[in-house]
Amino acid sequence: RKEVEQDPGPFNVPEGATVAFNCTYSNSASQSFFWYRQDCRKEPKLLMSVYSSGNEDGRFTAQLNRASQYISLLIRDSKLSDSATYLCVVIPNSGGYQKVTFGTGTKLQVIP
Amino acid sequence: GAVVSQHPSWVICKSGTSVKIECRSLDFQATTMFWYRQFPKQSLMLMATSNEGSKATYEQGVEKDKFLINHASLTLSTLTVTSAHPEDSSFYICSARIRESYGYTFGSGTRLTVV
Repeated sequence: RKEVEQDPGPFNVPEGATVAFNCTYSNSASQSFFWYRQDCRKEPKLLMSVYSSGNEDGRFTAQLNRASQYISLLIRDSKLSDSATYLCVVIPNSGGYQKVTFGTGTKLQVIP
Repeated sequence: GAVVSQHPSWVICKSGTSVKIECRSLDFQATTMFWYRQFPKQSLMLMATSNEGSKATYEQGVEKDKFLINHASLTLSTLTVTSAHPEDSSFYICSARIRESYGYTFGSGTRLTVV
């Protein structure tokens, strides 16, 4: 099983739709989780951290399910500008040497 | 916010030559810098972790003699691809963590094409 797995998509959704992605991780000791957005041929940019209690930032909601070992990202009222690849990031521990593992990314295409 | 400046943005070189990529942390001290490689339609793969003043830690399968990493100061880390070959053509990105639980900031990436 891969350390971090994502459905690569692409997810094609109409403007205004609500879309959700999941990301599963294999290391139950993982401590920190993030969602990044990567536009074509650009560097990844932090979208949001994922907290145990779940967190929301505008149209974006991130959740963590430790029991099932997955994190999710929900995007409401999709905009054309949301079209990008969304990467989940998992970090196994909170100190010392930290190996960051990226998911392969889920491609989202918002259609007019 | 914290910025990592990466240069060059893109480079085309002949097979057999060496290419140096620089990453500078502009407004913070990066004791640790991470170097990634991303092939088309694939995920970012960690190549190595560079620590200021000490040897880099390389991931399994990454040749340390081919990918030389130097982290001589708290604001500069370099990756040199030695004797580059076409299969080394990729997108190379550096990254640093500003502080605990904040996430990582990335350089803008270097697209290397070896012909």
